[in-house]
Amino acid sequence: QPVLTQPPSSSASPGESARLTCTLPSDINVGSYNIYWYQQKPGSPPRYLLYYYSDSDKGQGSGVPSRFSGSKDASANTGILLISGLQSEDEADYYCMIWPSNAPRVFGGGTKLTVL
Amino acid sequence: QVQLVQSGAEVKKPGASVKVSCKASGYTFTSYDINWVRQATGQGLEWMGWMNPNSGNTGYAQKFQGRVTMTRNTSISTAYMELSSLRSEDTAVYYCARVREDLMATMYDYWGQGTLVTVSS
Repeated sequence: QPVLTQPPSSSASPGESARLTCTLPSDINVGSYNIYWYQQKPGSPPRYLLYYYSDSDKGQGSGVPSRFSGSKDASANTGILLISGLQSEDEADYYCMIWPSNAPRVFGGGTKLTVL
Repeated sequence: QVQLVQSGAEVKKPGASVKVSCKASGYTFTSYDINWVRQATGQGLEWMGWMNPNSGNTGYAQKFQGRVTMTRNTSISTAYMELSSLRSEDTAVYYCARVREDLMATMYDYWGQGTLVTVSS
C-alpha cells in the first residue's frame, strides 16, 4: 500500500489545466520534503519531470516543458503537479515520490491522466 | 549519451532465482548510484534498493531484505540485481535507474528499458 496517496485517475480536455495531487500521511510533513514527479507512458520507463520544495527551491527535468510545474498545499499536506495547456501527448501515468534521508524512497500509487 | 541497457525477459519457476543486469554507458559508472525499482503489471512503482557502484555498498527495502542482492562489475560498467525465492507476486518489470544528486535534490535521471520477470509454474 503506497504511503503517498494519489487519485487513481484524472481527466481534462486539451488546452485545459490538470492538477494532480499527492497527499502525504499525517506523520510526514510535506513542507520538509522535495516532492518529485515522474511521467510514465505505456511500455516505457518513467521519465523525471521535476521536483518542488518551495518557490525558491525547485527544478525542472531536462527537456521538460515549463507548462509542467509543481507546488504544495501545506494545509492539505499535499504536493501538486500542475500541467497547463494540456496536449494529447500528456496522457500518461504520473507518480509522485519523496526521498527521505537514510530511508526508503517512497512512491505514490500513480494517477492515470486522460486527455479527453 | 547516457544509456542503461538491461538484460532480456526471464521466465522462472517459483522458488528459483533471477539475476537482471544493467549495463551503463556514456558516463563514469562509478560516479552515480544505481537504484532498482519494480512494477507489477498495471500497478505502481516499488523501490527495491540502492547500490553505490564505487564502494559496492548497498541498501535494501525491508520488504526484500534477505531475498535481494545488488552487485556490480566495474570493469564492464554493469550493475546486477538478484532476487531469490521467487513467488508469483514477484512477476513484474524490473528497472534500474541512475541517481543524480544536485545541490538541493536527488532524482532518477536515466532509466533502463525494463526487464520483465515472469514467475510461473
